[in-house]
Amino acid sequence: NAGVTQTPKFQVLKTGQSMTLQCAQDMNHEYMSWYRQDPGMGLRLIHYSVGAGITDQGEVPNGYNVSRSTTEDFPLRLLSAAPSQTSVYFCASSYLTSDEAFFGQGTRLTVV
Amino acid sequence: DAKTTQPPSMDCAEGRAANLPCNHSTISGNEYVYWYRQIHSQGPQYIIHGLKNNETNEMASLIITEDRKSSTLILPHATLRDTAVYYCIVSDSGGSNYKLTFGKGTLLTVNP
Repeated sequence: NAGVTQTPKFQVLKTGQSMTLQCAQDMNHEYMSWYRQDPGMGLRLIHYSVGAGITDQGEVPNGYNVSRSTTEDFPLRLLSAAPSQTSVYFCASSYLTSDEAFFGQGTRLTVV
Repeated sequence: DAKTTQPPSMDCAEGRAANLPCNHSTISGNEYVYWYRQIHSQGPQYIIHGLKNNETNEMASLIITEDRKSSTLILPHATLRDTAVYYCIVSDSGGSNYKLTFGKGTLLTVNP
């Protein structure tokens, strides 16, 4: 039982490049979410999903796309990276009826 | 969701109890108080949550005032490994654990 796995752990992109941050969970959780954390700040919600095929926007969705084709995976896509997207990205998952969210170890992204 | 106010930083001696306060004066009747912590930029970790009664688990105790406008997280015997940023979050129960609103939290430093 690996929990929530994020890949890669570190990534450097050039402005305008695209990439996908991967998130997978093996706990059969219905809910999955993406957050970003800027230096000295708390986490901010980007997108979330309440089940396969269902996604919605959070507080800071601009510049990011998501899809949820399976229960296990919830990738986050940056179509055209910008320096403002330099941040640490966290994926989380949880049960429908649980009060505890489980977080991955994060992906540290730098856009130059 | 109700806004929370926490001190930016606190110190505690190893082996002593750490008492972390949180103000949430605009909390509504159906909102719970959650505590998470983040150790050195790792993914946040759930600690405890409660509605109006005091709660205790293997990690900590949560004391909520009778008017529910404030709460205190208690780590009974703090260790160096408890040094972390602690987040107090107010949210609906159960089905809202996928869209948590994080503030800046309290940096707890446990000193030897």
